[in-house]
Amino acid sequence: DIQMTQSPASLSASLGETVTIECRASEDIYNGLAWYQQKPGKSPQLLIYNANSLHTGVPSRFSGSGSGTQYSLKINSLQSEDVASYFCQQYYNYPNTFGAGTKLELK
Amino acid sequence: QVKLLQSGAALVKPGASVKMSCKASGYTFTDYWVSWVKQSHGKSLEWIGEIYPNSGATNFNEKFKGKATLTVDKSTSTAYMELSRLTSEDSAIYYCTRSPAGSDYWGQGVMVTVSS
Repeated sequence: DIQMTQSPASLSASLGETVTIECRASEDIYNGLAWYQQKPGKSPQLLIYNANSLHTGVPSRFSGSGSGTQYSLKINSLQSEDVASYFCQQYYNYPNTFGAGTKLELK
Repeated sequence: QVKLLQSGAALVKPGASVKMSCKASGYTFTDYWVSWVKQSHGKSLEWIGEIYPNSGATNFNEKFKGKATLTVDKSTSTAYMELSRLTSEDSAIYYCTRSPAGSDYWGQGVMVTVSS
């Protein structure tokens, strides 16, 4: 199975700050990567697919980048509603696998 | 709009089975894979497997083979997952998702509690 190593596990940032979360795959996943946001008690929601494509309705302050084994999610100008957990997922190979998650809090 | 409506929470005894449903609306059910994802309390996500409603083809995480059975009813645009021989390790929230590239829409989740 492809292992997804996500960092950091938790993150504290101020409103308006830029935040970056990273995922490293154990092998090349050829941009088969998605990012999700999950708020407490809610289902995950897709933010980014194919490593850098913004899902419909997702604010443009979210962006994804990377290639090969290294990928990142950037949140520009952090808003209060961005407080959540974030997960990456590779779907290039079976079984699809997720990162352990990053919990984002306000400083 | 795309919606995936899942069945309600389940309390089941160890050793029993549970079958949950996922009713799709707002899109052509047979055009997209439906995936199932497990989230244990406070933890990350595990991909269980997927089914293609048009053909019934499935792909599974080896870890869940023999544990999960995936089926669909095309006439009602509903996907089902049955979990068998339940133990406390199966207590979790289970989500169905629509999966073109990653999972673009998620159901609200089904909380399964395994307890005697």
